[in-house]
Amino acid sequence: QKEVEQDPGPLSVPEGAIVSLNCTYSNSAFQYFMWYRQYSRKGPELLMYTYSSGNKEDGRFTAQVDKSSKYISLFIRDSQPSDSATYLCAMSGTGFQKLVFGTGTRLLVSP
Amino acid sequence: DAGITQSPRHKVTETGTPVTLRCHQTENHRYMYWYRQDPGHGLRLIHYSYGVKDTDKGEVSDGYSVSRSKTEDFLLTLESATSSQTSVYFCAISDRQSGYNEQFFGPGTRLTVL
Repeated sequence: QKEVEQDPGPLSVPEGAIVSLNCTYSNSAFQYFMWYRQYSRKGPELLMYTYSSGNKEDGRFTAQVDKSSKYISLFIRDSQPSDSATYLCAMSGTGFQKLVFGTGTRLLVSP
Repeated sequence: DAGITQSPRHKVTETGTPVTLRCHQTENHRYMYWYRQDPGHGLRLIHYSYGVKDTDKGEVSDGYSVSRSKTEDFLLTLESATSSQTSVYFCAISDRQSGYNEQFFGPGTRLTVL
């Protein structure tokens, strides 16, 4: 079993929809949770990060962490075709810990 | 891809040949990483460096070696390339100033081993 599980998709939605992207994990030591966005043939770019449990909002994006369920989510409101990309979750423990990545979910937003 | 370049961006080589990929950063970040990205596996850490001449293995280090003689350059070498090393290779950097391991990625190198 992988430490971090993520549905590969693709997830297809119409423009304007609310998108929910999710990851589950097994390591209870994880404290830092990140979401990266990767456009086709580009490197991943950091979108959001959260520490421990709770929510964090940045514009149309909301990151949510539920440590009791070992479940993290990224919500995208009013999705746009430019949001079409692969979204990778990543997480690590405290101190200097290596990042563990999910395999990524491919999102397609149609006009 | 702020301040991170990778070269070459594309390479086709033959089985058994040595290959060196270069990562160059202008951010003066202490930590540098090499990942490979494959369908169904996501990003997997090959090697990383925590300072000049200080390197350590990641989860998929077999068949790869690295060197870091300057803060800005991190080289990944495939001593004798195999078809299983066909992949997209990403370099990343971090500095821990934010208190967590926020990593910034380069544009990637697409390597094909025939």
